[in-house]
Amino acid sequence: EAQVTQNPRYLITVTGKKLTVTCSQNMNHEYMSWYRQDPGLGLRQIYYSMNVEVTDKGDVPEGYKVSRKEKRNFPLILESPSPNQTSLYFCASSLHEGAGAVNTGELFFGEGSRLTVL
Amino acid sequence: AQSVTQPDIHITVSEGASLELRCNYSYGATPYLFWYVQSPGQGLQLLLKYFSGDTLVQGIKGFEAEFKRSQSSFNLRKPSVHWSDAAEYFCAVVDAGGTSYGKLTFGQGTILTVHP
Repeated sequence: EAQVTQNPRYLITVTGKKLTVTCSQNMNHEYMSWYRQDPGLGLRQIYYSMNVEVTDKGDVPEGYKVSRKEKRNFPLILESPSPNQTSLYFCASSLHEGAGAVNTGELFFGEGSRLTVL
Repeated sequence: AQSVTQPDIHITVSEGASLELRCNYSYGATPYLFWYVQSPGQGLQLLLKYFSGDTLVQGIKGFEAEFKRSQSSFNLRKPSVHWSDAAEYFCAVVDAGGTSYGKLTFGQGTILTVHP
């Protein structure tokens, strides 16, 4: 079954304790992205990746890191989480056809990871 | 910078009534436009998309949307709403003619409540 899998789905942590949210897709998609969803703000892009070893900042990258060492995985790293990073996080992927081609925007989303930072 | 506005935060309709959710975008010349739906506790699912061609596009679950370049709008419609349509709906845009490859911008979302 084609899917995007995120883990953990729920996490409560404390300020400053490093954490990683994993994301894996089994569709051989080149493009992957992380979003955070906050009430009244819709989804805001944190980072995205056009392909292996190619990542770029979205609208709200501060406090986050990503890596793309393999095509299927795109972990989101919070080196020193703070309470303002309490949010619902979504990983998404899509097929991106070739260098220079625009991302089609047809995203497949994971089920979300609800993070609470105390 | 590209932006997407959904003027209605919350809409309530009766089951069987028609529905129109508004979406306006603001930026460059060649938009790719999308509507996504998020059911409670779920990720987002693509309802429909517009890339080019016929400005009236059909999607899943009986939804359609019309692209109006002159109004910079991409409103979502359904002639008869079902209780299972209760969800949050997001309009989104990719600037196909810009340099921000990979940037999909979402609107703030519209929550749809359906009364029996």
